[in-house]
Amino acid sequence: EIVLTQSPDTLSLSPGERATVSCRASQSISVSYVAWYQQKPGQAPRLLIYGASSRATGIPDRFTGSGSGTDFTLTISRLEPEDFAVYYCQQCATSYTFGQGTKLEIK
Amino acid sequence: EEQLVQSGGGLIQAGGSLRLSCAASGLFVTSSYMTWVRQAPGKGLEWVSAIYSDGTTYYADSVGGRFTISRDNSENTLYLQMNSLRTEDTAIYYCARDLRVKVWLSGVPNFFYNGMDVWGQGTTVTVSS
Repeated sequence: EIVLTQSPDTLSLSPGERATVSCRASQSISVSYVAWYQQKPGQAPRLLIYGASSRATGIPDRFTGSGSGTDFTLTISRLEPEDFAVYYCQQCATSYTFGQGTKLEIK
Repeated sequence: EEQLVQSGGGLIQAGGSLRLSCAASGLFVTSSYMTWVRQAPGKGLEWVSAIYSDGTTYYADSVGGRFTISRDNSENTLYLQMNSLRTEDTAIYYCARDLRVKVWLSGVPNFFYNGMDVWGQGTTVTVSS
């Protein structure tokens, strides 16, 4: 099983700041099989990024995905109030797994 | 508009059975890759099961042998039959489409993963002891 470990578990930032969430895989994964999701309380997850770096339909360009091999990153360039949520990375190169989640909270 | 509407959750005693439904509109479950993902109270996302367009099914180790994923073409609905339920199966269950885009490269079809792009609203399953 491919284990995805996100860091940090919690990120405390202010609107306008830059957020960086890391996702490390226990073995190398093709970028084609890496996605990122945003989840707000009481809501279903929302697809942000697929193929490690492609933005899903309607996702603002302040969201950027990058990385390869075992290390992947989600960057939010300038935080908006609606960006404070939990973020998950996910892979489907071998079965499916999610990272444990990173909570982005207002400082 | 592509939409998934879920039903079938509830409170059930350990050892019991429950069937979840996920009715699709604007997309066809039989020609899509479809998945079930769950979220225990206060926890993260956990993949449960998938069914591919060719009918191949996959299960997480935690539910294999107890859960069965299926679909109905006439109803355009995805199902998750859950048997021998345990307290640790308590969670919100989401259905989602796993979008694969076919691209022809040198005459060979390649399927590229475009993420779980359409999600149901979630349905709560509570298993009591």
